[in-house]
Amino acid sequence: GENVEQHPSTLSVQEGDSAVIKCTYSDSASNYFPWYKQELGKGPQLIIDIRSNVGEKKDQRIAVTLNKTAKHFSLHITETQPEDSAVYFCAATAQKLVFGQGTRLTINP
Amino acid sequence: DVKVTQSSRYLVKRTGEKVFLECVQDMDHENMFWYRQDPGLGLRLIYFSYDVKMKEKGDIPEGYSVSREKKERFSLILESASTNQTSMYLCASSSRQGLFQPQHFGDGTRLSIL
Repeated sequence: GENVEQHPSTLSVQEGDSAVIKCTYSDSASNYFPWYKQELGKGPQLIIDIRSNVGEKKDQRIAVTLNKTAKHFSLHITETQPEDSAVYFCAATAQKLVFGQGTRLTINP
Repeated sequence: DVKVTQSSRYLVKRTGEKVFLECVQDMDHENMFWYRQDPGLGLRLIYFSYDVKMKEKGDIPEGYSVSREKKERFSLILESASTNQTSMYLCASSSRQGLFQPQHFGDGTRLSIL
């Protein structure tokens, strides 16, 4: 079955800097890659997703890149703000969503 | 906006009790899911359902069962609760339309088994 590895487990950046979270997956049949943000006391919320026929997708300060050959995908957050502090999860699916272990992102003012 | 509501935010039960976690969604979604979330392990799929009265095992179904008698409601049952089932439980739903529909999550039930 699918296995998703996510790094780093914790990330601390200065406000205004960029943050990058990386994930690798094992199943070459996976073709949908969502990213979720979980704030304290809340459930995960979808922030961006990418399908396997696309290499990059951007939504304002958030971008995701996908390298199908290498089986890895990354989340990029630019001009970070305090409200970006949260736990971020990547996921991959061919049949069922499989989640990474999560990254706790802290934005320091 | 899709709303997924989990009946309890916090729940404390004793070992051996039968525990019911309830989840309701208001968007007429066909698919519903139960996950547990543990630090360092991410979200792991327990059970899912693609239709009323239909259920499929996820990656960690042992010790759990589910019920889907109505489209909007998906219940997770711990037949005889054990301390290793202390965790955060998350319910999610998605539309069947299209291959890659995002899952919408509730805010979770933090369950403690004493």
